[in-house]
Amino acid sequence: QVVLTQSPSASASLGASVKLTCTLSSGHYNYAIAWLQQQPEKGPRYLMRLNSDGSHTNGDGIPNRFSGSSSGAERYLTISSLQSDDEADYYCQTWDTGIWVFGGGTKLTVL
Amino acid sequence: QVQLVQSGAEVRKPGSSVKVSCMASGDSFSSYPISWVRQAPGQGLEWMGRIIPILGIPNYSQKFQGRVTITADKSTTTVYMELSSLTSEDTAVYYCARDLTFGGPPGYWGQGTLVTVPS
Repeated sequence: QVVLTQSPSASASLGASVKLTCTLSSGHYNYAIAWLQQQPEKGPRYLMRLNSDGSHTNGDGIPNRFSGSSSGAERYLTISSLQSDDEADYYCQTWDTGIWVFGGGTKLTVL
Repeated sequence: QVQLVQSGAEVRKPGSSVKVSCMASGDSFSSYPISWVRQAPGQGLEWMGRIIPILGIPNYSQKFQGRVTITADKSTTTVYMELSSLTSEDTAVYYCARDLTFGGPPGYWGQGTLVTVPS
C-alpha cells in the first residue's frame, strides 16, 4: 500500500514563500495527490489536486498563491506571499482502489 | 454547492457504540463516495471507510473492520457511521468527506463531530 511521508514542521516569514514536501513510497511515483489545509480548531479544507506531471487544479476559492509541482516521488506545495492565516497543518492525501491514505501532516509556522 | 452537515457531539461510555450522521445536499447524492475520517486529539487524519450510496456497498480500513458500519439512506441523503466497542482511544473528531470527482480527492468536508469516550 502507498505511504505518504511529510516533515513534521516548517516555518517561514510573513510575506515570504515556503515549499512543503510530500514523498510517495517506492512503486507509487505515478500517483496523484491532494493537498489539504487545516487551520487551528477547524476542519480540513481541500486546496488542490496535484498530478505526477506537476499539473494541478486548485479548489474553489483557493488563491493562486497556492501552487503545486512534482518531481519523481516528491509532491510539493508552494505557498507564496505568506499570510498569518496560512499558519496551519498541511496534509497530503492520495487514493487507491477506494482507499484513502494521508500523510502525517506538516505544521507550518508563519514567523 | 455541495454541503455536508454532521450530527452533534456525543459522549459515550467505554464498551458502547456511537452513530454519527452526515447529511449531504447540493449535488447528486447517490453517485459519489462518502468517506469517514477521524482525528484524535493532536494527531493526524485517519481514513476509516467509505460508501457509494447508489450501490450501498461499503469498504472499510482494515484497522476498523468488524467494528465500524457505514450505511446510506438515499431517501434522506444521509450517510451514517457507527463505531462499536468504544474505548478512550476512540475519542476523536469524526469527519465525513465526499470525493470531488468519483474516485478522486476529498473535495468536500463536513464540519466534524466530536466523540468523547471518558476513560
